[in-house]
Amino acid sequence: GEDVEQSLFLSVREGDSSVINCTYTDSSSTYLYWYKQEPGAGLQLLTYIFSNMDMKQDQRLTVLLNKKDKHLSLRIADTQTGDSAIYFCAERTPDNDMRFGAGTRLTVKP
Amino acid sequence: SAVISQKPSRDICQRGTSLTIQCQVDSQVTMMFWYRQQPGQSLTLIATANQGSEATYESGFVIDKFPISRPNLTFSTLTVSNMSPEDSSIYLCSVETGSNEKLFFGSGTQLSVL
Repeated sequence: GEDVEQSLFLSVREGDSSVINCTYTDSSSTYLYWYKQEPGAGLQLLTYIFSNMDMKQDQRLTVLLNKKDKHLSLRIADTQTGDSAIYFCAERTPDNDMRFGAGTRLTVKP
Repeated sequence: SAVISQKPSRDICQRGTSLTIQCQVDSQVTMMFWYRQQPGQSLTLIATANQGSEATYESGFVIDKFPISRPNLTFSTLTVSNMSPEDSSIYLCSVETGSNEKLFFGSGTQLSVL
């Protein structure tokens, strides 16, 4: 496909795990990224993964990469209300361009 | 990482006027980028600001509408000219650092055009 695709909304209960999924466009993309945007703020780089890896863990965050299916996921363990935000998936293409998804709005209910 | 200061953080402007957005980085960077974020949509690259040369614009964006300055390696401005309500959006400055695999963003400028 031409676009990086993400679900628009996800709602979870506090303490549960959140999984945000993304399908990117180019199987040769070199890096895949997750950004977080809180209201009124810019995009904060949460984590990223090199394309030759299939998993990366950083505290509560786990990134899984399936190159064959061009699928990227972000799992947030023990989700807190402060995790409520919009999460953007992005890829760096072989041409060194950055492509972003439209963002997934995560709502965490107490 | 890089610390990027962007201002103004928000503004409400009248149709036909222009607004200049400033972006200051705490370290010298080669490449600075300007993005637009429309509600519910992904980020769209407007242009790449190079120090010492003219900015490179993406398809659909022109210099007359979005003039860019890049006077040194830590600063850039984007002007939104002759604004219309369709220009209402968030505008984001960003930079690449290190070995260029990471892209960092400023806090954004929320622009509303009446």
